[in-house]
Amino acid sequence: GAVVSQHPSRVICKSGTSVKIECRSLDFQATTMFWYRQFPKKSLMLMATSNEGSKATYEQGVEKDKFLINHASLTLSTLTVTSAHPEDSSFYICSARGGAMGEETQYFGPGTRLLVL
Amino acid sequence: AQKVTQAQTEISVVEKEDVTLDCVYETRDTTYYLFWYKQPPSGELVFLIRRNSFDEQNEISGRYSWNFQKSTSSFNFTITASQVVDSAVYFCALNPSQGGSEKLVFGKGTKLTVNP
Repeated sequence: GAVVSQHPSRVICKSGTSVKIECRSLDFQATTMFWYRQFPKKSLMLMATSNEGSKATYEQGVEKDKFLINHASLTLSTLTVTSAHPEDSSFYICSARGGAMGEETQYFGPGTRLLVL
Repeated sequence: AQKVTQAQTEISVVEKEDVTLDCVYETRDTTYYLFWYKQPPSGELVFLIRRNSFDEQNEISGRYSWNFQKSTSSFNFTITASQVVDSAVYFCALNPSQGGSEKLVFGKGTKLTVNP
């Protein structure tokens, strides 16, 4: 149980284009999902908290208009990197909060490697 | 302030050795949760353990064991008889409960290399 998928696993795009990354909780419902960014050999940096049916909460320094987050259902959250530039190249990981009440845990997806040329 | 410190950036051991990964945390909350995740080269973070602040019992799961010491704010992770497949980056994380926060505060990770 507690499986989270991400699609695509890898994407290469040209500068200026937009890229959408999907995060799905496969066997549980998640009212809250999280989006992280990880640079090589670095820890995870929380970008935003995605709540089903409401606006995402972004961390300080993360541009809302650049990283659009939509959490339209209890099993799907999407991150759209708009007008991507080479500096947006990174490893993006989502997590979904699941588990029995009182035992909630963040379960992570396999990540998406984005390369912007 | 909430903070997790993993002082060991990289550790290299030979197969079958035991290895302990250190984790020290800071929080003013009386209720909080601690986690360990494993990130193999593929990139996916694998959940290993969740521990709440009221449960100081040590836990063992196969070759893995965890030592939670509230007095020293530490939550160390030991792998017994390490194997090559244990090679990964291991992250310790803290989930403070103040204000109902669901955010995880991650340490910088410890890269473990197990050599044959």
